[in-house]
Amino acid sequence: DTGVSQDPRHKITKRGQNVTFRCDPISEHNRLYWYRQTLGQGPEFLTYFQNEAQLEKSRLLSDRFSAERPKGSFSTLEIQRTEQGDSAMYLCASSLVSGTAGNTIYFGEGSWLTVV
Amino acid sequence: AQTVTQSQPEMSVQEAETVTLSCTYDTSESDYYLFWYKQPPSRQMILVIRQEAYKQQNATENRFSVNFQKAAKSFSLKISDSQLGDAAMYFCAYRSPGTASKLTFGTGTRLQVTL
Repeated sequence: DTGVSQDPRHKITKRGQNVTFRCDPISEHNRLYWYRQTLGQGPEFLTYFQNEAQLEKSRLLSDRFSAERPKGSFSTLEIQRTEQGDSAMYLCASSLVSGTAGNTIYFGEGSWLTVV
Repeated sequence: AQTVTQSQPEMSVQEAETVTLSCTYDTSESDYYLFWYKQPPSRQMILVIRQEAYKQQNATENRFSVNFQKAAKSFSLKISDSQLGDAAMYFCAYRSPGTASKLTFGTGTRLQVTL
């Protein structure tokens, strides 16, 4: 088990282009989260999945953002028509839900997005 | 909504010394979970320690311990015998009870460890 992996680790794109990030959670983890982190700030929650169902979306997730987890395994986060304000680290995390909210959430190394 | 406040943007400690990082939070819930995460320059967030609010005993993990003051809504992290590898950003995080909950983070404290 290699932990939560994210790809690509770094992405530079021109404003207006679309970008997609992929996250592979720890195998058998049924909960998958996306967070966004800007410099000098803590991570901010974007959305999460329970298996393939997207159960909650933050107000931060504008219409240009879409996340999927089609088979309940890996997830993708797509940003359409990128803006400079989208520049941030996008963190993926996963956990195994077993009846208590104390389940540890494991994070990936993140995907850095720079919009120029 | 819950909020988490870390009032120390940066802290410095000498190797082998002890340092305490502060965290306060605001909530109306009586049961919840608190966490300290470490984010080294490689950027992967690593869980350091966690505390269940219903437990009065402070959590400890090797050189890391917390001072949990529920009435004051305070959750500080003490690092003993600091090592160079402890240098990182440290984030305090709150999680509500129930399985449909996510983490709410503070803004972080950058810890420098000097020789």
